[in-house]
Order: sequence, then C-alpha cells, then structure tokens
Amino acid sequence: DVKVTQSSRYLVKRTGEKVFLECVQDMDHENMFWYRQDPGLGLRLIYFSYDVKMKEKGDIPEGYSVSREKKERFSLILESASTNQTSMYLCASAIGLAGGRETQYFGPGTRLLVL
Amino acid sequence: DQQVKQNSPSLSVQEGRISILNCDYTNSMFDYFLWYKKYPAEGPTFLISISSIKDKNEDGRFTVFLNKSAKHLSLHIVPSQPGDSAVYFCAATNQAGTALIFGKGTTLSVSS
Repeated sequence: DVKVTQSSRYLVKRTGEKVFLECVQDMDHENMFWYRQDPGLGLRLIYFSYDVKMKEKGDIPEGYSVSREKKERFSLILESASTNQTSMYLCASAIGLAGGRETQYFGPGTRLLVL
Repeated sequence: DQQVKQNSPSLSVQEGRISILNCDYTNSMFDYFLWYKKYPAEGPTFLISISSIKDKNEDGRFTVFLNKSAKHLSLHIVPSQPGDSAVYFCAATNQAGTALIFGKGTTLSVSS
C-alpha cells in the first residue's frame, strides 16, 4: 500500500509567520505534488516535483515555495503566511511514468488556519 | 478557464438506488480520467480510472463511462450506500502531462 504522510493534521499560525508543511512518501515515487482544497474551488495545484531538487509551478504558486532535497520528502513553505492561505493542504505522490497517465496517491491533508 | 467541469455541486440519492455523477472536459488532449472520493478531514482516495481507448470500466459497484465525442464521463454507483456519502472529484491528464486537472467536486449524500 502506498503511504503518504503529512507532518500535521491541523495547524494554527499567525499572519506573517513562516510555515513549513512536510510530506513523506514511502513508495519511492518520483513525482510529488502539493494542492490546496477550498470549498467550491476543488483541488488546485500549487507546485509539483518530478525529481530531487526539481520543481515546477502549478496553477497557484504565488505566496508559496517548495523544497525537495530527498526523493521521499516534499516540503511546502509559506514564506509569510496570510489569512487567504487558510485552507486544506494536500500532498500527493505518483510513480512517475514516462507516459504520464498515472494515479496520484494523497496524504490525509493539513488543515491550516492563519489568524 | 476550467478544463474539467463538474456542474452539479451536490447530489442526493436514496440507499439502494443508482448514483450518477457527471464530468465534462474541454481539452481534447486528455486521454486518462480518474475519480477520487474524499471524506471530510481526509485526503482524496483513488476510486477508479479509465483510459480513452475504453468507453467503460467497472470495479464492483463503481462503473465509469467515457463518451469521447461528447467529452463527457460519468461515474455510476450501484447500489448506493450511506458510506458512499462523500465529495467526488473527477480528474484528467494526458501522456504529456504530469499533473492532474481536477474538477470542483460533487457532494454525494446517500440517505438510508
């Protein structure tokens, strides 16, 4: 079974704080993703990574950065948290098939509240 | 502009009946489609997928139908159970793509 874990289920932070969200997968997957989910907006891709130290912007990268120093770990960083970043953050991983068309496996999510 | 659309935000069905969730897409390059189920406070879980070379894929109570000419797919759940109550997301990708494109989700409520 694929296991994707996220460091926290719930976080409360203050405006302006630097926030780190950690994600670890144990299936040696090449690709990892960060999404946020908001009511009525579905899942929106923030960043993804297809290799160590590689990253690509998704649809809504503004206000976020990522780090992938090891294959199994993908971190999402909010450099200066703002209230509009209050959301559910979901990490996912996928094998990394050359032809795409692959299933992504999600972690349990981190619900972040920025006050 | 939304490339994957789930036009019904919610659906209510009685236990034992069929649930039909719909999804439309605009990008003709999409050739692989997935459905995910999500309970509150949990991550989405993969449910079923279909490649564009097929028009139907079945897994137990879940069947996905793909109509390429109409750029439409649907998820059928038969029979529906109260435990199926969740948000269902449709997603699409293609050979060149790495990331999935998700719809906004449909909340299914199955009453007993």
